[in-house]
Order: sequence, then C-alpha cells, then structure tokens
Amino acid sequence: EAGVTQFPSHSVIEKGQTVTLRCDPISGHDNLYWYRRVMGKEIKFLLHFVKESKQDESGMPNNRFLAERTGGTYSTLKVQPAELEDSGVYFCASSQIGTGWAKTQYFGPGTRLLVL
Amino acid sequence: SQQGEEDPQALSIQEGENATMNCSYKTSINNLQWYRQNSGRGLVHLILIRSNEREKHSGRLRVTLDTSKKSSSLLITASRAADTASYFCATDPGPGSNYKLTFGKGTLLTVNP
Repeated sequence: EAGVTQFPSHSVIEKGQTVTLRCDPISGHDNLYWYRRVMGKEIKFLLHFVKESKQDESGMPNNRFLAERTGGTYSTLKVQPAELEDSGVYFCASSQIGTGWAKTQYFGPGTRLLVL
Repeated sequence: SQQGEEDPQALSIQEGENATMNCSYKTSINNLQWYRQNSGRGLVHLILIRSNEREKHSGRLRVTLDTSKKSSSLLITASRAADTASYFCATDPGPGSNYKLTFGKGTLLTVNP
C-alpha cells in the first residue's frame, strides 16, 4: 500500500511569488490534514478535510493560504503571495473515517518551503 | 508548558542503553501518539495509546500514559544507532476537535555507536 505522498519535496521561491503544494493521501482515507512546522517551533495544525469538505481550517494563518480537495482525492495548498515567514516544512496526513476512537494519522514526507 | 511538550529537548546515549522521553499536556485527550522523524524525512507513526489505556508495547517501544498527571513516557530499550531521530508526542482531543493533533517541539535523540 502506497503511503502519503507530497510534491514537491523542496521549493525555493522569492517573496511575493506563488507556490502550490500537493498531497496525495492513502487511497481510501477520507480524512486529510495539513500541518506546518516553522523553524524551531512545533508542528501545527492548519486544516482538515473530510472528503472534499473543509471541516476545520482554524489553523490557517491568513487568507494568503488556500487549500482545496476537489473530488475528495488529492489536496493542494496554495500560498499566494508567499512571505518570508511562510518558510517551513508542510506536512500532509491522512486517516480513515472513524467514530469514537481516532484512527492513526499517516504523514507524508513533507514539503520544505523556503521563501527568500 | 505547551500542550504535548516533550522532555528532555535533547538526549544523547550509547548504543544498547535505554532512552526515556517524557511528554506533558494540558487538556483532556482521546488518545496520545508518538511519532519519529529522521533527519530530513517525514513523520513516522510509532504508537497510539488511548486515554483508557495505561501502558502499551510495540517491539522495543514501551509507552505509558497517566491521565491524572497528564503525562506520557516513551521508552526505547536496547537503543541502536538507527534510533537517532527526533521524537514527538501528539495529543488527539477526539471527535469534538476533528482529531486534529497538537504536537510538542520534540526530543532529539542521538544514539552513539
């Protein structure tokens, strides 16, 4: 079974440019999460999809970030325009739908974003 | 301290020794999970312990959970150089918060050959 994949693995852009990150969850996983780790800080939740619906986007830092999951399969996270403080590692995770006890979240390798 | 805060921040041991990492948290949880991140790589899920469990084992890993103290520990026995990585605990509040995880800053474990 293929794991969560993310593309690109690294991205270096200049301030003001646009970058789009992609996440392909494990097949059959309806839950998809985006997290971010800024240098020296904790990994923080950004948002959560259930299928194509945004369930919780309380962690999105501002309106420069736009996430989509059309068709309920892969997801994209666009940063436009990028700022220096957006640099960090962006992780995607997926899990099965479950009630009560949570299902394990499986993480992708992350996209390392550097904004110059 | 922050939710899911690990202690110590860094730990250096010799191969064969045991490594113990601790995690404290503040709010109620549905479960607590431990992850490992090797340098430059993604997060690997190690173990999940539910709030009604007190101890769980997986291979050389032993996790304990004390909900009254809001703390957890991860023990790696007979450590190997390949165990060198950052270890994170993550708390899961459950369905009311969409199972979103809250991570600590991690413990950097170095196992010297």
